[in-house]
Amino acid sequence: SQQGEEDPQALSIQEGENATMNCSYKTSINNLQWYRQNSGRGLVHLILIRSNEREKHSGRLRVTLDTSKKSSSLLITASRAADTASYFCATDDNYGQNFVFGPGTRLSVLP
Amino acid sequence: SAVISQKPSRDICQRGTSLTIQCQVDSQVTMMFWYRQQPGQSLTLIATANQGSEATYESGFVIDKFPISRPNLTFSTLTVSNMSPEDSSIYLCSVPSGETQYFGPGTRLLVL
Repeated sequence: SQQGEEDPQALSIQEGENATMNCSYKTSINNLQWYRQNSGRGLVHLILIRSNEREKHSGRLRVTLDTSKKSSSLLITASRAADTASYFCATDDNYGQNFVFGPGTRLSVLP
Repeated sequence: SAVISQKPSRDICQRGTSLTIQCQVDSQVTMMFWYRQQPGQSLTLIATANQGSEATYESGFVIDKFPISRPNLTFSTLTVSNMSPEDSSIYLCSVPSGETQYFGPGTRLLVL
C-alpha cells in the first residue's frame, strides 16, 4: 500500500508567493526525501531529512518532519515559474533501498 | 552523484509487441531499480536488479511480463512484453547512492 500521501494534489500560485506541500506516511522510517519531476521526466533529488531531524533548509527549500504525526512539509519560498513541476515525497526504511513514493503535488507557478 | 541514461527516451508501440528499455550508469553499482509511473500517478517499484542474480519483483509484477537483464554492474534492461494500452507509462531506472536514489530521465511509452 502507498506509504506517503501528499496534499494538495494540485497547487497554483503566483510567482513570488510561497508554496507549501504536505506528506503523510504510515510506518516507521529512516528518512524522508523530496523529489521534483518536470513534465514527466526523470526525478531530481531535492532534500533529505532523517528521522532524528525536525527541520532542514536548502536554498529556497525548507523541509520539516514530525515523526509523532508521521508527516512532513516542503516549503518553497519566493516561487518562480521554473518551480512549476510535480513534487513527490519518498519514505525510506532501508537506507536508500526501499523507497515508497507519495502520489505527488502538481505545482503551477504563474508568472 | 551517478549519471544515468535511458534508451529510448520515448516510443509508440502496437499492442502485442514488446519493447526493451536500456539503462546505463556511469559507475559500477550493485543494485538497480526499475519503476513504473502511470499517467498522472506516482512511481511504483517494479523490481530490483542485482548483478549476478535474478531480479526481485514486487507484488503485482511478474518476470514473464517484465523480464530484466543485468549483465554487468553498469547496465540493465527492462522488457515490457506483450504490451497493451494499460502499459502506457513512464519507465524509470534508478540506483541507490548513500541514503538516496538517482533516477534516469525515463522512457515514455505509449501503447496503441
